Amino acid sequence: SSELTQDPAVSVALGQTVRITCQGDSLRSYYASWYQQKPGQAPVLVIYGKNNRPSGIPDRFSGSSSGNTASLTITGAQAEDEADYYCNSRDSSGNPWVFGGGTKLTVL
Amino acid sequence: QVQLVESGGGLVKPGGSLRLSCAASGFTFSDYYMSWIRQAPGKGLEWVSYISSSGSTIYYADSVKGRFTISRDNAKNSLYLQMNSLRAEDTAVYYCASGVDTAMGPLYWGQGTLVTVSS
Repeated sequence: SSELTQDPAVSVALGQTVRITCQGDSLRSYYASWYQQKPGQAPVLVIYGKNNRPSGIPDRFSGSSSGNTASLTITGAQAEDEADYYCNSRDSSGNPWVFGGGTKLTVL
Repeated sequence: QVQLVESGGGLVKPGGSLRLSCAASGFTFSDYYMSWIRQAPGKGLEWVSYISSSGSTIYYADSVKGRFTISRDNAKNSLYLQMNSLRAEDTAVYYCASGVDTAMGPLYWGQGTLVTVSS
């Protein structure tokens, strides 16, 4: 199956902009989706497709993609954005999806 | 509003079996694909199994193929996961999740049910 690689941890100062990346061969063919997961809670979809946000997701969250890399950008990070973030895409091997290993975002 | 409520988790011995259920409400269940996704303690998300809206297409992760069986009952708005020959590495929170377009990951997720495989 395909693999998606994420940095294990990233930090950002309150109010600043942070980019979380995800690399994998499947991203050359498929868009990434991004999930936010806070401790003890289920994941929440924050970005999907080219750059789409489900209802209720703040517009400080945005997505982009280039080559084999997808990025989630948080513009003006808030304390409540501190969470684990997972990327996900279709799996080139034929299975529905593959998940990245996750990035722990700390807001300083 | 959309609700996915998992049940059936618990403590089971290695080699044992367990059946998870997921009750769906707030959306047209028969229009949505369903999936089980798990998360081992302190670890990341792992896709486990998928079933299409009609039940005609099913996929399993290699790690569970031959041991787990996914099914759905559209008349009861319910999803199931029969887990046999359980191993310690199957210990995880199991999430029920749903969506309409597999080009994106699942939109709706339940709160999860914990499965612990230990002697």
